[in-house]
Amino acid sequence: DQQVKQNSPSLSVQEGRISILNCDYTNSMFDYFLWYKKYPAEGPTFLISISSIKDKNEDGRFTVFLNKSAKHLSLHIVPSQPGDSAVYFCAASAEVWDNYGQNFVFGPGTRLSVLP
Amino acid sequence: NAGVTQTPKFQVLKTGQSMTLQCAQDMNHNSMYWYRQDPGMGLRLIYYSASEGTTDKGEVPNGYNVSRLNKREFSLRLESAAPSQTSVYFCASSGVFGNTIYFGEGSWLTVV
Repeated sequence: DQQVKQNSPSLSVQEGRISILNCDYTNSMFDYFLWYKKYPAEGPTFLISISSIKDKNEDGRFTVFLNKSAKHLSLHIVPSQPGDSAVYFCAASAEVWDNYGQNFVFGPGTRLSVLP
Repeated sequence: NAGVTQTPKFQVLKTGQSMTLQCAQDMNHNSMYWYRQDPGMGLRLIYYSASEGTTDKGEVPNGYNVSRLNKREFSLRLESAAPSQTSVYFCASSGVFGNTIYFGEGSWLTVV
């Protein structure tokens, strides 16, 4: 059973409008969340993160919202640009291994297409 | 800034052949990971190494082995490749808790 879900495999948005990508998780122990962006033939790159002590984190055009009671987070991109077209992965983390690292669980991804 | 470097980028194997994917990071990270990406499945953890000298199984370890050669290097070995191991493989590393995980550019493996 997937612990991190992204129920929309794809999303199309007009350039200049808002893109909203959603992510749901089942493990209540998750307390750190990240969004990654992936272009074809490249590795995922970090976009933005949020810890469970916050409900919002903003970085330029990207804002992540966290609703812990609903076990839901979303990524808002405003305004959307054609260069934002990519696959977006949501990731969650809970474990700490002897203060050295942590395990990240990824969702299946949402393919965003921003139409000019 | 090299970050996470993995080789080879592309490889075609015959069923039953063996090969090793190499990975190195230059960020002085303690933790390293191997993921595979399959359509509709996202990124699934194969093996990880929380720190130098330790390795543990992830979600899909069957058919793979790993070696944490030193703090920088973490290799993934397929002893007897199977068509089900056709995938894109990503190596990654991370620092202390709260930090991000950084990925290599991926290795495209096809087993025929």
